[in-house]
Amino acid sequence: AQKITQTQPGMFVQEKEAVTLDCTYDTSDQSYGLFWYKQPSSGEMIFLIYQGSYDEQNATEGRYSLNFQKARKSANLVISASQLGDSAMYFCAMREGLNTGNQFYFGTGTSLTVIP
Amino acid sequence: GAVVSQHPSWVICKSGTSVKIECRSLDFQATTMFWYRQFPKQSLMLMATSNEGSKATYEQGVEKDKFLINHASLTLSTLTVTSAHPEDSSFYICSASWARGMGNQPQHFGDGTRLSIL
Repeated sequence: AQKITQTQPGMFVQEKEAVTLDCTYDTSDQSYGLFWYKQPSSGEMIFLIYQGSYDEQNATEGRYSLNFQKARKSANLVISASQLGDSAMYFCAMREGLNTGNQFYFGTGTSLTVIP
Repeated sequence: GAVVSQHPSWVICKSGTSVKIECRSLDFQATTMFWYRQFPKQSLMLMATSNEGSKATYEQGVEKDKFLINHASLTLSTLTVTSAHPEDSSFYICSASWARGMGNQPQHFGDGTRLSIL
């Protein structure tokens, strides 16, 4: 089974609107972390936001927020007030356990296009 | 934030050449480094995990003799693509983490290397 599933290969959003990018995960570990990265066409991986399995509050970082539903094993990224510069690939990732040396499992990504 | 430098950004070379890619953590001690390969419009594929001073752990299907990884110091890991062929052309990207970091520490990525073998 896939550890991370992103079911939206491509998404379009109007500038200044909000958009939700879906991510579901599969793990039997009690301790895990969920991460979202943005990858522009230039290729670099930009860390956006983190949610820990024990966090009771949804994570927020500026225009990014994470809709964490632990029982459903989902960690959807919400981007508010979309900007043209948000057009990029977005990857959801999970690290099992608390050891930061553990590997990341990445989803297949969602390509977001912001329309002016 | 933590900075990881990857060099070179672009490489174009002839078939049969060996190519070395460097990944440096500039402001923290990277006890673990990860090497990924990414094809266009696809996700990152983990090639290997290297811990400082130890042999790298390769993922299934990744040729150890083709992709040599060295992690001799806490700030530098290298990936050498030996006798590269056109099918090795890809985007290679490294990331680093500090094993004693807290669980919320992300992997810090280099900017990647685009390798083209003619």
